[in-house]
Amino acid sequence: GAVVSQHPSWVICKSGTSVKIECRSLDFQATTMFWYRQFPKQSLMLMATSNEGSKATYEQGVEKDKFLINHASLTLSTLTVTSAHPEDSSFYICSAGVTGGVEQYFGPGTRLTVT
Amino acid sequence: AQSVSQHNHHVILSEAASLELGCNYSYGGTVNLFWYVQYPGQHLQLLLKYFSGDPLVKGIKGFEAEFIKSKFSFNLRKPSVQWSDTAEYFCASHTGRRALTFGSGTRLQVQP
Repeated sequence: GAVVSQHPSWVICKSGTSVKIECRSLDFQATTMFWYRQFPKQSLMLMATSNEGSKATYEQGVEKDKFLINHASLTLSTLTVTSAHPEDSSFYICSAGVTGGVEQYFGPGTRLTVT
Repeated sequence: AQSVSQHNHHVILSEAASLELGCNYSYGGTVNLFWYVQYPGQHLQLLLKYFSGDPLVKGIKGFEAEFIKSKFSFNLRKPSVQWSDTAEYFCASHTGRRALTFGSGTRLQVQP
């Protein structure tokens, strides 16, 4: 089946610094990837839709200047949390779908802790 | 906007008990429905999905779900749970928009 990886799986950073999270589709091409955030004991909330070669589409309430998304190729999307604060601590999950398909394949997630 | 509701937030069962987790969706048009499971410390895994056809869908690990259009429901069932089924279960829907809309999740705890 289709595999999606994320790196790093776990990161701790100091308040005010920036963190980059990578999402890769390992064995398929994905023109669209999605970034979700999951707070402890809560559901996944869509943050943004990442489109290869164009600007990302952000959900209402998500700051585009804080959560920078770059979809540079058909297999890689990055999420950069800029000037991170403790309230940004969360589990960030990406998903990708085969072009033209419906099913989404999820990455293992990245746990971000901002101190 | 579409939404997904899971009314059971925390379910505690003994091994061998039967399971049914509720899921209701709000979208009135064509909808694709999914159940995902998240074991402690692990990522989301697809249990089963419904796109069209037979409304009774069978998934992995003995799980099944029934799509009832008139009730806007897609409940997850398993005849006999095991301790290893302890996990968080998420119902999700997909319409024309490619991102998934997730329910709030149900934490299942199976006691040996």
